[in-house]
Amino acid sequence: IAGITQAPTSQILAAGRRMTLRCTQDMRHNAMYWYRQDLGLGLRLIHYSNTAGTTGKGEVPDGYSVSRANTDDFPLTLASAVPSQTSVYFCASSDSNLGNYGYTFGSGTRLTVV
Amino acid sequence: SQQGEEDPQALSIQEGENATMNCSYKTSINNLQWYRQNSGRGLVHLILIRSNEREKHSGRLRVTLDTSKKSSSLLITASRAADTASYFCATDSSGSARQLTFGSGTQLTVLP
Repeated sequence: IAGITQAPTSQILAAGRRMTLRCTQDMRHNAMYWYRQDLGLGLRLIHYSNTAGTTGKGEVPDGYSVSRANTDDFPLTLASAVPSQTSVYFCASSDSNLGNYGYTFGSGTRLTVV
Repeated sequence: SQQGEEDPQALSIQEGENATMNCSYKTSINNLQWYRQNSGRGLVHLILIRSNEREKHSGRLRVTLDTSKKSSSLLITASRAADTASYFCATDSSGSARQLTFGSGTQLTVLP
């Protein structure tokens, strides 16, 4: 089934630990995104990648890093987790080459930093 | 910062009634999109309306866009209990980056 796979689905993480959230898509979309969703704040963009080999910062990039070594994978790394990073993280992709196209979202990773 | 702001924050209606949600935004846009999110799930794209369009339909969904007022509305006709979800508007204000800015959403509850 074409779409986005995120892993893990949920995680409890000790503060100060490093963690990588995985995101893989099989639609050959050129653009990929990481959002975090917090109650009452909607979705906020963390990082994005318009094409393999390039990345950019979104609205709330601090404490996070990404890489885009190939078209399919877009991992998000928390170098040293803090409790304020407790959130639900969504990966998304779009084929911007088609122009004006909607996003496809993964099912999310629920992260709790304690 | 949030570009789109939905109104109301929560809406409860009876099955069969129409549901209307509104979205206001601040800057000029290329297009505006509506998404649906069921509890504990990812967002699903519903409909996209371009800045040069005023109205668009998809099944029971009707979206309007007023760029002069920087606002959009989503109408769901003949609602069903299965329509219960959160609905988000998202604006595409950038050029080639295609980054969407989401509002905080409207929680719709359709009572059977």
